[in-house]
Amino acid sequence: DTAVSQTPKYLVTQMGNDKSIKCEQNLGHDTMYWYKQDSKKFLKIMFSYNNKELIINETVPNRFSPKSPDKAHLNLHINSLELGDSAVYFCASSHRDRDLGYTFGSGTRLTVV
Amino acid sequence: GDSVTQMEGPVTLSEEAFLTINCTYTATGYPSLFWYVQYPGEGLQLLLKATKADDKGSNKGFEATYRKETTSFHLEKGSVQVSDSAVYFCALTSGGYNKLIFGAGTRLAVHP
Repeated sequence: DTAVSQTPKYLVTQMGNDKSIKCEQNLGHDTMYWYKQDSKKFLKIMFSYNNKELIINETVPNRFSPKSPDKAHLNLHINSLELGDSAVYFCASSHRDRDLGYTFGSGTRLTVV
Repeated sequence: GDSVTQMEGPVTLSEEAFLTINCTYTATGYPSLFWYVQYPGEGLQLLLKATKADDKGSNKGFEATYRKETTSFHLEKGSVQVSDSAVYFCALTSGGYNKLIFGAGTRLAVHP
């Protein structure tokens, strides 16, 4: 009954490869997000979708492309992976009422070697 | 732009000690304020929140009061336990799209 689930939990890949991370939420929320957490634990928003529409697109390299097939799913595809992409990526979702906060997935630890 | 500043860690305490983690913010408008906790190897969990000035959020013995005059939202707990060891993040919602902006996080280590 996981509310926000991400797969895979761990991902180790070589530089230059293309990989995807999937996220699904069963909370009925209409907004989903991708955050990146670096090695110092700093969290930065990357993208947000509301009902399949991209509403937040922070300064992120074009190699990162989010896709939302429906409001319960938000995937992240990364092309031509670089060493600096190594991080933990968190998916989150929220209701349109901003006072309720976000629900986060357990994260995907990406290691580029 | 909007931002959150937290005290640097790590904070190391003995069990049953009093905890304060300072958090101040800069924002246009009237943000909602949050504390999230991240246990080792896990995602972030909402700990408590406050949506307007003078509101006090509380949960699991933790408290924080939304102080508009000092733009602060300090986290406190009267008696910490070893199980409280985690990274604590202060955050605010910014703008019309409910963007959540985080502070840098404060690591808390509680020893028996």
